[in-house]
Amino acid sequence: GESVGLHLPTLSVQEGDNSIINCAYSNSASDYFIWYKQESGKGPQFIIDIRSNMDKRQGQRVTVLLNKTVKHLSLQIAATQPGDSAVYFCAENPLSHGSSNTGKLIFGQGTTLQVKP
Amino acid sequence: GAGVSQSPSNKVTEKGKDVELRCDPISGHTALYWYRQRLGQGLEFLIYFQGNSAPDKSGLPSDRFSAERTGESVSTLTIQRTQQEDSAVYLCASSIGWTSGGEDEQFFGPGTRLTVL
Repeated sequence: GESVGLHLPTLSVQEGDNSIINCAYSNSASDYFIWYKQESGKGPQFIIDIRSNMDKRQGQRVTVLLNKTVKHLSLQIAATQPGDSAVYFCAENPLSHGSSNTGKLIFGQGTTLQVKP
Repeated sequence: GAGVSQSPSNKVTEKGKDVELRCDPISGHTALYWYRQRLGQGLEFLIYFQGNSAPDKSGLPSDRFSAERTGESVSTLTIQRTQQEDSAVYLCASSIGWTSGGEDEQFFGPGTRLTVL
C-alpha cells in the first residue's frame, strides 16, 4: 500500500548548524509533496512544497530536495534556531492531477528536531 | 483573519459514550478535511468535504465514525460508542478548494484531544 516514512525518529543538532530531515515514499505515482512543522499542542504548519517536475525548491532558510529515482525527499534547514524545534512531517498528495483529486494527504511518521543551545 | 478553530480543545469521555467534535474552517474555504493523529504518529486521513458533500470517506475507520458539514462551513465529526483505541488528537483542515487551480494549501486547526477512559 501507499506509505510515506521517515528515516530517523529524532534529530538533535546544535544551534546554528544545518539540519537535514529525510523522508522515503513508496508511491511512484505521487507528484506533489509537502513538508509540515508541528509544534507541541498545535496543528501542522505548512513549510514548503515541491512538485515532481522539480528536484529542488528553496524557501526562507529551508530547501526541499526530491530524488524521484530513489523516491526520497529531504528538508534542509539552514542555521537551525531553537524555534525550529518541532516534529517535521513529510506528506504526499498522490492524486494532484485531474478532477478526481480529493486533496487528501498521506503523512509520514514524523521526525523530532531538537535544537541544542 | 481567523484561522481554523476546533472545539472542544480537550474531551475526556467514558468508553461507550458518543462524542461530537466541531470544526470551524476559514471563511470561504470550500474544502474541509478531518485527520486523526495518534500519540507519536503521523496524521491519518479520515474524510474530505467539498462544500457539504463528502466525496471521499475512505479513511473513516468504522461505521461508528461519521461526519457532516452544513452551510459549506461548520463540520461535526461524531464518534459513537467510543472505544479506548479512539483516543487521539482529531485535526481539521480547510483549503480554498481545487476550483482555484494548482496546489491547494491545507490550513490546520489546533485539534481536539480525545481521551476515552
